[in-house]
Amino acid sequence: QKEVEQNSGPLSVPEGAIASLNCTYSDRGSQSFFWYRQYSGKSPELIMSIYSNGDKEDGRFTAQLNKASQYVSLLIRDSQPSDSATYLCAVRNTGGFKTIFGAGTRLFVKA
Amino acid sequence: KAGVTQTPRYLIKTRGQQVTLSCSPISGHRSVSWYQQTPGQGLQFLFEYFSETQRNKGNFPGRFSGRQFSNSRSEMNVSTLELGDSALYLCASSPAGTTNEKLFFGSGTQLSVL
Repeated sequence: QKEVEQNSGPLSVPEGAIASLNCTYSDRGSQSFFWYRQYSGKSPELIMSIYSNGDKEDGRFTAQLNKASQYVSLLIRDSQPSDSATYLCAVRNTGGFKTIFGAGTRLFVKA
Repeated sequence: KAGVTQTPRYLIKTRGQQVTLSCSPISGHRSVSWYQQTPGQGLQFLFEYFSETQRNKGNFPGRFSGRQFSNSRSEMNVSTLELGDSALYLCASSPAGTTNEKLFFGSGTQLSVL
C-alpha cells in the first residue's frame, strides 16, 4: 500500500464547475496535510494546508480533512482553465522529518 | 528574497558516471529536502537535511547520497548512474523543517542518463 494515494485522473470538468480531488494516507501518525499544484514543466507550489479535522477555505479552494478515515480532499469552486494542472496531496508526520507526496491528480478545466 | 536555486538545470550523463547536483535554499531556511520525480512514480523522497545533519532518508540505494554545508546549501550525489536514474531532481527548503511548514521548491535539475 502506498503511503499517500490519489486517483491519477485525468479529471476533466467544465469551466465554472466544482472540481473534487481526493487523497488517502496510510500513516495514522500524520499531522500535517498539504495540497500542491504543479503546472506542466514547473515546480510544485503550495495552495492549501490543513492540520485539524474539518474544512478550511481559502478563496475558491476548500481543503477537507477526516483523520478517522485518513482522507483529505480539495474542492475547487468556479474552476477556471488556469486551474488545469497536476494536484499533489502531501502528508507530513510528527518527527518524521519528511513530506510524502501522492502521485498527483491531473485536472483539466475545459473552457 | 531569492527563491530556491538549483544547478545545473540540465545534465546529460552516461551509465556508470557519477553526478553532483547543487541546491541553495531560500535565505534563512535551514532545512533542505531532495525529491526524485518521474512520470511513473511521482515525487519520491530522497533525504532531508537540517543543520548539516541528515534527519531522514527515503528508500533509495546507497548510490544516492547527500550533504549539507554550514551555510545550508546542499548537494546530492549519485554514483554509478543507471538508466533508471533519469528523472527530475527537485530540492525544497523550509525554515526549520517542522511539522507544519510548507516546502518551497526549486526549478529542479533534469538528469538524463544515456
